Amino acid sequence: LAKTTQPISMDSYEGQEVNITCSHNNIATNDYITWYQQFPSQGPRFIIQGYKTKVTNEVASLFIPADRKSSTLSLPRVSLSDTAVYYCLVGDGGSWGKFQFGAGTQVVVTP
Amino acid sequence: NAGVTQTPKFQVLKTGQSMTLQCAQDMNHEYMSWYRQDPGMGLRLIHYSVGAGITDQGEVPNGYNVSRSTTEDFPLRLLSAAPSQTSVYFCASSYSRRGEQYFGPGTRLTVT
Repeated sequence: LAKTTQPISMDSYEGQEVNITCSHNNIATNDYITWYQQFPSQGPRFIIQGYKTKVTNEVASLFIPADRKSSTLSLPRVSLSDTAVYYCLVGDGGSWGKFQFGAGTQVVVTP
Repeated sequence: NAGVTQTPKFQVLKTGQSMTLQCAQDMNHEYMSWYRQDPGMGLRLIHYSVGAGITDQGEVPNGYNVSRSTTEDFPLRLLSAAPSQTSVYFCASSYSRRGEQYFGPGTRLTVT
């Protein structure tokens, strides 16, 4: 199982860009990188997924370098409602179910 | 679509009691899983299923049983509740082996 390491917490102001880097040194060839967002008392919500290079959707961008040993979730122009815990998850595309959630990164956005 | 539903939302058990947490999804997803989340912690995988009739153990399976008789339902059974099983339980489903999972709202369980 690929273990992930993220910062425990990050603070930001409204309107700024937040970048959260996840380290996954032993990522396997079949693994995809997936990010989730979780608000208190709710289940995690899928944000974005990628395999290599850059992926962008309407809420975030995901940057993955060529060696794939890390990935960076970028949240542009955050608002107060982006205050949440963000999890990086590295999954085995060849054998579903072997996922490990780390402790996540608590992002706090203030006015 | 209702997505992933879980019942009950809250439950209090006494040590030694048994119960079943219900999970259902209406998205025709083959892959389903159960996680527990302890306060201030990430999610830990209990059991998962890759299709009806197929289940396997995750990271923390002891004290829990699962079955998958239909694509829609994936109940989690606590055999003999212990205080260490006090947690929030999340059920999730996925259409993809890649890991894009849809989570239910959770069941908050307290064992006294």
